[in-house]
Amino acid sequence: DGGITQSPKYLFRKEGQNVTLSCEQNLNHDAMYWYRQDPGQGLRLIYYSQIVNDFQKGDIAEGYSVSREKKESFPLTVTSAQKNPTAFYLCASSRAGIRTDTQYFGPGTRLTVL
Amino acid sequence: KNEVEQSPQNLTAQEGEFITINCSYSVGISALHWLQQHPGGGIVSLFMLSSGKKKHGRLIATINIQEKHSSLHITASHPRDSAVYICAVPPRGTGNQFYFGTGTSLTVIP
Repeated sequence: DGGITQSPKYLFRKEGQNVTLSCEQNLNHDAMYWYRQDPGQGLRLIYYSQIVNDFQKGDIAEGYSVSREKKESFPLTVTSAQKNPTAFYLCASSRAGIRTDTQYFGPGTRLTVL
Repeated sequence: KNEVEQSPQNLTAQEGEFITINCSYSVGISALHWLQQHPGGGIVSLFMLSSGKKKHGRLIATINIQEKHSSLHITASHPRDSAVYICAVPPRGTGNQFYFGTGTSLTVIP
């Protein structure tokens, strides 16, 4: 089955710790995205990547980092510099640029900072 | 200021009712997406449309580019339609910014 997987589903972190969220897709999509969702707010773009070894900051990149070493993988690291990391994180992918194609979403990771 | 506004924020309907969710946007767009988010958090894309109307089963999406408005209709609503419906627009000419509405939470009561 083709799709996007995210792990873990729930993640707990102590303040001051970095944590990495996994995102893998087997859809052969070039573009991948990370979004953050907070209650009462729309999805906000953290980072996106149009091609391997290249990525760009979204609206709220501060305190986050990414890598794109393989086409199918786009991990997100939430660093200790992120002041309010507790949120629901969604990864997505698409065949082409964001303006022209449907995005496919993973099931999400809910991060809670203790 | 929100580039994408949805209404209503919350909607409760009896099973079988016809439902309409509205989306208005303020930016120039190449296409508009309707997404569905289930209680578990997963999101699926329902429609991408740039003009006119699209239909998939009991769901119908319409868009009026001149008025910058789109509607999502659900005919003969069912409890399994209960979800959050999100409108999203990728604006033209601004890189890869994608604006999302805050969503409409729909509950269909049996």
